[in-house]
Amino acid sequence: SYVLTQPPSVSVAPGQTARITCGGDNIGIKSVHWYQQKPGQAPVVVIYYTGDRPSAIPDRFSGSNSGPSATLTISGVEAGDEADYYCQVWDSTSDHVIFGGGTKLTVL
Amino acid sequence: QVTLKESGPVLVKPTETLTLTCTVSGFSLMSDRMGVSWIRQPPGKALEWLAHVLPDDKKSYRTSLRTRLTISKDTSRSQVVLTMTNMDPLDTATYFCARVYKRQLWSDYWGQGILVTVSS
Repeated sequence: SYVLTQPPSVSVAPGQTARITCGGDNIGIKSVHWYQQKPGQAPVVVIYYTGDRPSAIPDRFSGSNSGPSATLTISGVEAGDEADYYCQVWDSTSDHVIFGGGTKLTVL
Repeated sequence: QVTLKESGPVLVKPTETLTLTCTVSGFSLMSDRMGVSWIRQPPGKALEWLAHVLPDDKKSYRTSLRTRLTISKDTSRSQVVLTMTNMDPLDTATYFCARVYKRQLWSDYWGQGILVTVSS
């Protein structure tokens, strides 16, 4: 089955840039989606179709995918960005939705 | 305004069957672009997709749970129901339903989740 690999944790100082990676077999040809989840809350999509951003999400959030990893980039990190972030793809072979293991973003 | 809300028991015993209902509003389950997914999250762990039902009633299930899961939708009631048989303490988790786009299966709206504990 298809597996997405994320670093367990990323730490960044306020105002700096955080980059969270998501690796998978041939991920460069897949559409990757990213979710932010704060404690006790449901996930919120921050990036869909690799690089599109919902209107409510600040433009500090961006996504890219050039293989071997997709990347969620958060520029000018704020304390409120501290959360778990999950990447997600659709595996067309199995018709399964695949989530990465999640990355905890800590704002120092 | 799109909303999804999960309902069902918060405590089930081992070997029992869990039935969860997702009641949606603000969009139609007859849409040809969207469906509903069920996702769970054990305490302190990652998100885990369980199943989805798409337009034309196309369904898919997590392979490891395929024999225990059934998803169905009732468009007249705007509900999607997930049943999971033979519950085990390892199935203790928060269960979410989410609206999912048929194209590439991403979710833009999620329910608040319901914590289901499996214990005797």
